[in-house]
Amino acid sequence: ETGVTQTPRHLVMGMTNKKSLKCEQHLGHNAMYWYKQSAKKPLELMFVYSLEERVENNSVPSRFSPECPNSSHLFLHLHTLQPEDSALYLCASSQRTSGTYNEQFFGPGTRLTVL
Amino acid sequence: RKEVEQDPGPFNVPEGATVAFNCTYSNSASQSFFWYRQDCRKEPKLLMSVYSSGNEDGRFTAQLNRASQYISLLIRDSKLSDSATYLCVVSPSGNTPLVFGKGTRLSVIA
Repeated sequence: ETGVTQTPRHLVMGMTNKKSLKCEQHLGHNAMYWYKQSAKKPLELMFVYSLEERVENNSVPSRFSPECPNSSHLFLHLHTLQPEDSALYLCASSQRTSGTYNEQFFGPGTRLTVL
Repeated sequence: RKEVEQDPGPFNVPEGATVAFNCTYSNSASQSFFWYRQDCRKEPKLLMSVYSSGNEDGRFTAQLNRASQYISLLIRDSKLSDSATYLCVVSPSGNTPLVFGKGTRLSVIA
């Protein structure tokens, strides 16, 4: 239905594990985003990749590491997470035109549980 | 003042009712405005963009008031399927990513 796919859809990991979340957009957009949404909390922007530059929320811990190899793919590498990192992780993409951020389209999310 | 503020609700309304949500934004230079809908445990989906002249899509009407820095969403003839959280979204300026409000929860009751 949407042009943004995410894998896996569900992930359970221990605090010592290393895992990666993957996002792919098929919309020809030039900007991609990672958001965190905890239960009953608003969306929290974690990282933005746009026109080969990265914008990050300085409050995001270093145990989250993004990677954007090209304009269609985005990864979020996870290591030594904490139980409070359990949340829905949403990827989104949009088209930047003349520097303006336009409407975003979201993937279905990865529901992460850290034990 | 927060960048984007919404009444969290919940708004509980009967089927067929008309309900309106307001959202205020702090940056007068904001350029783009949107309403998104998010169902429980799902991703946000674009409902409609908000244009300066106001716009309508079926039962949904969005309006922008730049002087007072607020946008509104009006839902007429509410359906059970309208139950969701409605997110107000603003682009503060050209080079800043979209800012999402915390959302207003709507429950339409039979």
